[in-house]
Amino acid sequence: GAVVSQHPSWVICKSGTSVKIECRSLDFQATTMFWYRQFPKQSLMLMATSNEGSKATYEQGVEKDKFLINHASLTLSTLTVTSAHPEDSSFYICSAIQEGAYNSPLHFGNGTRLTVT
Amino acid sequence: SQKIEQNSEALNIQEGKTATLTCNYTNYSPAYLQWYRQDPGRGPVFLLLIRENEKEKRKERLKVTFDTTLKQSLFHITASQPADSATYLCALTGANNLFFGTGTRLTVIP
Repeated sequence: GAVVSQHPSWVICKSGTSVKIECRSLDFQATTMFWYRQFPKQSLMLMATSNEGSKATYEQGVEKDKFLINHASLTLSTLTVTSAHPEDSSFYICSAIQEGAYNSPLHFGNGTRLTVT
Repeated sequence: SQKIEQNSEALNIQEGKTATLTCNYTNYSPAYLQWYRQDPGRGPVFLLLIRENEKEKRKERLKVTFDTTLKQSLFHITASQPADSATYLCALTGANNLFFGTGTRLTVIP
């Protein structure tokens, strides 16, 4: 089945530094990738939708200058948390659509646990 | 704005019984509804998708219903097992949007 790989699985960084998270579709072309944030015991909060070759679409309340998304190829999207602060500590998950249609099942990465000290 | 509610944050059930989880939504008319399973510290895994013109969908011990009049989906796990313990998320899909419910944490007690 379709596999999405997310790296790293966990990262600890100091406040003020930047962290890059990678999301790769291993065996299919993902024209659209989604980035979510999940706080403990809460549901997935969509941060942005990333389309290959174009600018990401951010959800209301998500700072695009803080959460930089790049989707340079059909198999790779990256999320960079810039100037991270402790309140950015969360579980970040990416997902990809295999056919570019919202009615297709999403394939999720295993998430990245970010801890900002 | 759209709102998706899953009936309870947590549900405990005895092994062998049928678990029933509820997903209610308002202010939205989704074309599709999906159910996912999420284990702690992992990404969600797709389980079932049901379209608005389908009443019921089955996959092994799983059954999903979709009532667009009631704006509700029910997710059943029959003959539940401890390995079914996880958080289950419903997701509504339309033409350009995807929204997740808050999830129900199911615990199957041996």
